[in-house]
Amino acid sequence: ETGVTQTPRHLVMGMTNKKSLKCEQHLGHNAMYWYKQSAKKPLELMFVYSLEERVENNSVPSRFSPECPNSSHLFLHLHTLQPEDSALYLCASSQTGEYGYTFGSGTRLTVV
Amino acid sequence: GQSLEQPSEVTAVEGAIVQINCTYQTSGFYGLSWYQQHDGGAPTFLSYNALDGLEETGRFSSFLSRSDSYGYLLLQELQMKDSASYFCARRAGNMLTFGGGTRLMVKP
Repeated sequence: ETGVTQTPRHLVMGMTNKKSLKCEQHLGHNAMYWYKQSAKKPLELMFVYSLEERVENNSVPSRFSPECPNSSHLFLHLHTLQPEDSALYLCASSQTGEYGYTFGSGTRLTVV
Repeated sequence: GQSLEQPSEVTAVEGAIVQINCTYQTSGFYGLSWYQQHDGGAPTFLSYNALDGLEETGRFSSFLSRSDSYGYLLLQELQMKDSASYFCARRAGNMLTFGGGTRLMVKP
């Protein structure tokens, strides 16, 4: 495996469900990110884990909860989501001192 | 503020040159990045400008003017495979804030 891997690729969940998105990076990077990509909107930064410190966008609802157990793995726990949370959720990683982020292919989430 | 402005859509023909502009707000600005995203794919890093001037990487070049809070991505010798969305992204510290993206359609 190389790069940034996200699972699952597609997820359909009801508003009362609990699910988790998983991201794994095989690049030795020291920072990982969750972004939300909705139609007709810019990519929205949700959470940053950098050198084991968490930074979050204060506008992200508490029904999204990140977890970063180590520098290679990142999770996004989802509970009681709303239909407007349907979007592509992208994970990315980077290394301090380098300029580019490496993105995963995303999880396409549909909330019904 | 954090916002970036770029055109929503650009159309060009194969073999042509196209320029995608981006203006940004300057608070805490470190540099400007460009990403390409094909439909259904992951955004991929194209270039980064921290200083004024032009950076060239093959058919793609990126320009930055910090005094004008402005940059652009220049794509030369357009190919059909260049049809994609292109995002400028403002770097502040270790975080990137993205523009809304420009959808480039290349026609034969």
